[in-house]
Amino acid sequence: KAGVTQTPRYLIKTRGQQVTLSCSPISGHRSVSWYQQTPGQGLQFLFEYFSETQRNKGNFPGRFSGRQFSNSRSEMNVSTLELGDSALYLCASSNRANYGYTFGSGTRLTVV
Amino acid sequence: AQRVTQPEKLLSVFKGAPVELKCNYSYSGSPELFWYVQYSRQRLQLLLRHISRESIKGFTADLNKGETSFHLKKPFAQEEDSAMYYCALSGQTGANNLFFGTGTRLTVIP
Repeated sequence: KAGVTQTPRYLIKTRGQQVTLSCSPISGHRSVSWYQQTPGQGLQFLFEYFSETQRNKGNFPGRFSGRQFSNSRSEMNVSTLELGDSALYLCASSNRANYGYTFGSGTRLTVV
Repeated sequence: AQRVTQPEKLLSVFKGAPVELKCNYSYSGSPELFWYVQYSRQRLQLLLRHISRESIKGFTADLNKGETSFHLKKPFAQEEDSAMYYCALSGQTGANNLFFGTGTRLTVIP
């Protein structure tokens, strides 16, 4: 079965712009979570969606937002990009609480 | 607050030697602990869940609530075990938010 698919794989944006990243979870998985990975901060939880509702949110500013659609696909949006937002953004899906995630390959965002 | 500590950023062992990757956590409730692995140029993947008490690729991990540890062990390291290993904690029942440690890069020397 297909894994977690993230698009695009790479993205270059300018400071001040906004960006939308997309994630298609494994079929049947209703929980989708997003993580930011940077060399300095490591893997940090952004937010989790379940059945189109944000269930948990990490400690990120309001510029970071997300949503989930009825087919469980999810998008995350970052507005007013800053240089520090350059990171690998990972999406993960799960079909059971505390069962463990399946991760996508990520979207590498570079802000210049 | 949740916290996961992996004290070793780098760990090198010889092929055939035992390996132990340390993980300590801080959480006031009953956590769910995981080990994730990332091989070179591959995506992050789940290795072990403490709740299932399984052995994957020869690796085991036991949750020690007294010492708040979840160390990953393998009796005989193989070259293909070289990878980045992350310990992660999920503390909220019914939720799927993970708190990751900073990771340990394991290198198995042939």
